[in-house]
Amino acid sequence: KNEVEQSPQNLTAQEGEFITINCSYSVGISALHWLQQHPGGGIVSLFMLSSGKKKHGRLIATINIQEKHSSLHITASHPRDSAVYICAAEIRYGGSQGNLIFGKGTKLSVKP
Amino acid sequence: DVKVTQSSRYLVKRTGEKVFLECVQDMDHENMFWYRQDPGLGLRLIYFSYDVKMKEKGDIPEGYSVSREKKERFSLILESASTNQTSMYLCASILALNTEAFFGQGTRLTVV
Repeated sequence: KNEVEQSPQNLTAQEGEFITINCSYSVGISALHWLQQHPGGGIVSLFMLSSGKKKHGRLIATINIQEKHSSLHITASHPRDSAVYICAAEIRYGGSQGNLIFGKGTKLSVKP
Repeated sequence: DVKVTQSSRYLVKRTGEKVFLECVQDMDHENMFWYRQDPGLGLRLIYFSYDVKMKEKGDIPEGYSVSREKKERFSLILESASTNQTSMYLCASILALNTEAFFGQGTRLTVV
């Protein structure tokens, strides 16, 4: 069973388009993370949110705790936004704090 | 500004070899994680540690062990490498619940 589901799996957009990536989860979470992975492998954190909405530049992340759903929006998309976007649900697991359950990722390609 | 460093970007090992993957963080985090990432499967948790000398199995620990002798260093050990352990390995650290996760750049391991 997939506890974190992302859609779409692949997304191709034209430069300048508004992009939305969706994430649904079925577990109780302490926070929801949005991550970006460029070719070559390294992952960077974009947002960590437990309620409401956060904005950073052209990126906006929202979460609806009651509906167990989060979205990542990219306004005025650019080819440099091309990457894999991963949502991850943060849960308590064993003795640790902050264990993550990952969605399978959305591969975004923005064409000039 | 590097915060989580993995010892190798690319590694090629022979079947049966003992393999060590090292991860070092400079943020004094207690929680550290090892994941593997495979196409179509996303990131899966191998082992995690929430304190020095403390470790717990994740979802896919078979064939792996870990060592955490110092707070900043978390090592993943492949006791006897096999071809099905060919994968991208990612280390992460996190301070606590509801805080940002930091990832290493990944090690792409090929076992031949």
